[in-house]
Amino acid sequence: GAGVSQSPSNKVTEKGKDVELRCDPISGHTALYWYRQSLGQGLEFLIYFQGNSAPDKSGLPSDRFSAERTGGSVSTLTIQRTQQEDSAVYLCASSLDRGPLETQYFGPGTRLLVL
Amino acid sequence: AQSVTQPDIHITVSEGASLELRCNYSYGATPYLFWYVQSPGQGLQLLLKYFSGDTLVQGIKGFEAEFKRSQSSFNLRKPSVHWSDAAEYFCAVGTNTGNQFYFGTGTSLTVIP
Repeated sequence: GAGVSQSPSNKVTEKGKDVELRCDPISGHTALYWYRQSLGQGLEFLIYFQGNSAPDKSGLPSDRFSAERTGGSVSTLTIQRTQQEDSAVYLCASSLDRGPLETQYFGPGTRLLVL
Repeated sequence: AQSVTQPDIHITVSEGASLELRCNYSYGATPYLFWYVQSPGQGLQLLLKYFSGDTLVQGIKGFEAEFKRSQSSFNLRKPSVHWSDAAEYFCAVGTNTGNQFYFGTGTSLTVIP
């Protein structure tokens, strides 16, 4: 049982380009979360998946952000037309099931820098 | 609205000294409270959590936290800090629907010899 993995670990892109960030949750975990950690800020909730569906997309900061999850496993967070303010560490977490009683296991994050 | 406040951005303590990191939350119902630690280059690791019952919660690495409803606080403590405890610490509150978790801005801990 490997932990949550994320790729790439670092991504540098130019303003206006699209980026895709990948998260591989722990096998068997049905719940998956995306967070954004900006410099000097706490973790900002972005989106949550239960299985392949995302019942709560309220945290996505703009319509440039989207996410999907396929096969109840891997998830991709896509940022279109990146802006400099998108620069941050994007963290993924998974838990066995939904609910606050379940421990979230975090990946190491993807550090995104938009030039 | 739910929120978490960690009033101390940065704390410095001597190795062997006691530690208390403050956390205040705002949530209308019974909160689910968590403390996470983020070491340099590492992902967040759960230290402890509180759901109900005994208000003094024991966690890993010798940490404990006390839930005080009257003060809306969930402060993290450790009697004797080790150099390896230097890290960023985050307090979080979870809702009873489990859809969202709200994190504080973190407290950076430096341990000096």
